[in-house]
Amino acid sequence: QVQLVESGGGVVQPGRSLRLSCAASGFIFSTYGIHWVRQAPGKGLEWVTLIWNDGSNKYYADSVKGRFTISRDDSKNTVSLQMDSLRVEDTAVYYCARAYCGGGRCYEPNYWGQGTRVTVSS
Amino acid sequence: DIQMTQSPSSLSASVGDRVTITCRASQDINNKLAWFQQRPGKAPKSLIYGASTLQSGVPSKFSGTGSGTDFTLTISSLQPEDFATYYCQQYERYPLTFGGGTKVEI
Repeated sequence: QVQLVESGGGVVQPGRSLRLSCAASGFIFSTYGIHWVRQAPGKGLEWVTLIWNDGSNKYYADSVKGRFTISRDDSKNTVSLQMDSLRVEDTAVYYCARAYCGGGRCYEPNYWGQGTRVTVSS
Repeated sequence: DIQMTQSPSSLSASVGDRVTITCRASQDINNKLAWFQQRPGKAPKSLIYGASTLQSGVPSKFSGTGSGTDFTLTISSLQPEDFATYYCQQYERYPLTFGGGTKVEI
């Protein structure tokens, strides 16, 4: 069955870095892009970034552009999110979600992981 | 950026009720509209894509309609497991954007 498992969350000081991972199984990984979506405590969902199935395109929310970097390793069916220069406002649960890609675009999240919690605090 | 406005932000309903949630985009999104359900403490679950197509395994009590900028999610005959927060999202243009959510409460 389809599985997405996030890891790497934790408590980190402002200005430091953290690397999240999303391990995928149960589907043809190379067919799907991967979104990251976050949810601050008590708040709604915020889209963060997307990497296409072939890694050719990456998109970021303005709030993380220049600080976060998404990458994928198809040999390990894994997507990573490198988060640098972390801010208090990056505190959230981070979800990865797969998205079907085809016809020159990727689509909406259609299956979600359970999330990993990131707390940025001094 | 495309703004997504959901209404209401919360509603009270009873088991068996039919409820409708509205989502409005700040510009035409070519039906690139998805709906998600999030139960408390849980990950979101995908319900609908393309404004009206149910994801695999989603019961038919959920339905989506709309086009252009105005969309609705309808849940017929609410059951206890349907009490949750619902979000719309446009995926026509980057950055993808979510509505603020609608909490469906008893």
